[in-house]
Amino acid sequence: DAGVIQSPRHEVTEMGQEVTLRCKPISGHDYLFWYRQTMMRGLELLIYFNNNVPIDDSGMPEDRFSAKMPNASFSTLKIQPSEPRDSAVYFCASSSTPGGAGREKLFFGSGTQLSVL
Amino acid sequence: AQSVAQPEDQVNVAEGNPLTVKCTYSVSGNPYLFWYVQYPNRGLQFLLKYITGDNLVKGSYGFEAEFNKSQTSFHLKKPSALVSDSALYFCAVRDSWGKFQFGAGTQVVVTP
Repeated sequence: DAGVIQSPRHEVTEMGQEVTLRCKPISGHDYLFWYRQTMMRGLELLIYFNNNVPIDDSGMPEDRFSAKMPNASFSTLKIQPSEPRDSAVYFCASSSTPGGAGREKLFFGSGTQLSVL
Repeated sequence: AQSVAQPEDQVNVAEGNPLTVKCTYSVSGNPYLFWYVQYPNRGLQFLLKYITGDNLVKGSYGFEAEFNKSQTSFHLKKPSALVSDSALYFCAVRDSWGKFQFGAGTQVVVTP
């Protein structure tokens, strides 16, 4: 398996522009997580899905952020409009339902480095 | 609500000395506990986990962790640190709903 795949690896945009980050989870995983990492706030959970349904979006900073998971193999995180304070590394991660040997682990993608100028 | 605390922002240790990275947790029900490591410009990588069973868990790269229920701790340890162990270490807890919560991270610096 190729692991969790995120695109793009790097994104540079100007303030006010729309940004879309993409994620393909590991096949067969039914949980998908979006995290944001900054020096100031560390690793923050933004939202997570189970079976394509958002379970907890309490970490989404504000209405400018939205996430979707239209099917089991694809998710997007959208920022509209983007602001300089959104600059961070955004990670997607996926996992299986707890209960089976080795299934509890969370697998991370390589992240998207977002810079909003 | 579940939470994870890593009380140290940074741990400094000389190569060859034992390394300990502290973690305490708060969760209702039985905890699923994890340690992850992050090298510069990389995603987080799984080190080890505690689900049930033996309180001493062995993981990758010679790391181990001890689950202590009474102290609600899950400290990461390595008997002899290497310079290549220098990285950012995260403790995490997973609740019965499947949600992963990470600590703030501890930067480990191993000097030659």
